[in-house]
Amino acid sequence: EAGVVQSPRYKIIEKKQPVAFWCNPISGHNTLYWYRQNLGQGPELLIRYENEEAVDDSQLPKDRFSAERLKGVDSTLKIQPAELGDSAVYLCASSSYFVHTGELFFGEGSRLTVL
Amino acid sequence: DAKTTQPNSMESNEEEPVHLPCNHSTISGTDYIHWYRQLPSQGPEYVIHGLTSNVNNRMASLAIAEDRKSSTLILHRATLRDAAVYYCILPMEYGNKLVFGAGTILRVKS
Repeated sequence: EAGVVQSPRYKIIEKKQPVAFWCNPISGHNTLYWYRQNLGQGPELLIRYENEEAVDDSQLPKDRFSAERLKGVDSTLKIQPAELGDSAVYLCASSSYFVHTGELFFGEGSRLTVL
Repeated sequence: DAKTTQPNSMESNEEEPVHLPCNHSTISGTDYIHWYRQLPSQGPEYVIHGLTSNVNNRMASLAIAEDRKSSTLILHRATLRDAAVYYCILPMEYGNKLVFGAGTILRVKS
């Protein structure tokens, strides 16, 4: 069974440019998460979807970040315009409904460098 | 929401057991205890979880204190491939949200 797939794996852009990350979760997983991980820190939750609905986006910087999950499957996270401080690894994860009795599956991440 | 406390780093010798501690003194009766680990340049991966009883799987064992205020992840024989950051997490919001702390960096010496 395929795991969570993310692309691109690496992206280098100049500040003020836009960037987008794509995530394909494990088939049948209703819940999808985007995390951001800065160097030397644990992942920080940006947004959580249950099917098509964003149920927790309290940590998403809405002035420049946006996300969508069309048809409750794939998801895209966009940053426009990017700033130097956005350099980080962006992780996508998916799960069946209740994580506390199961597990969260992560992709390998998309490493963003903003110059 | 209950929080966890872990040591910043630990070191182990290869082929020896490793005990990674986690304190969660404000845990509630329905909070599960989850452990994830993150190998270099990879996303986190699930290791084990439990509620009250000790748990074993092919990767590790989880020992939960009787009062549930602490737990210990046990790697029975550490290998160089076990060098990673280990996160102890109590899922929030009825179990749908994992909030990661800084975790414990485990170094394994050959």
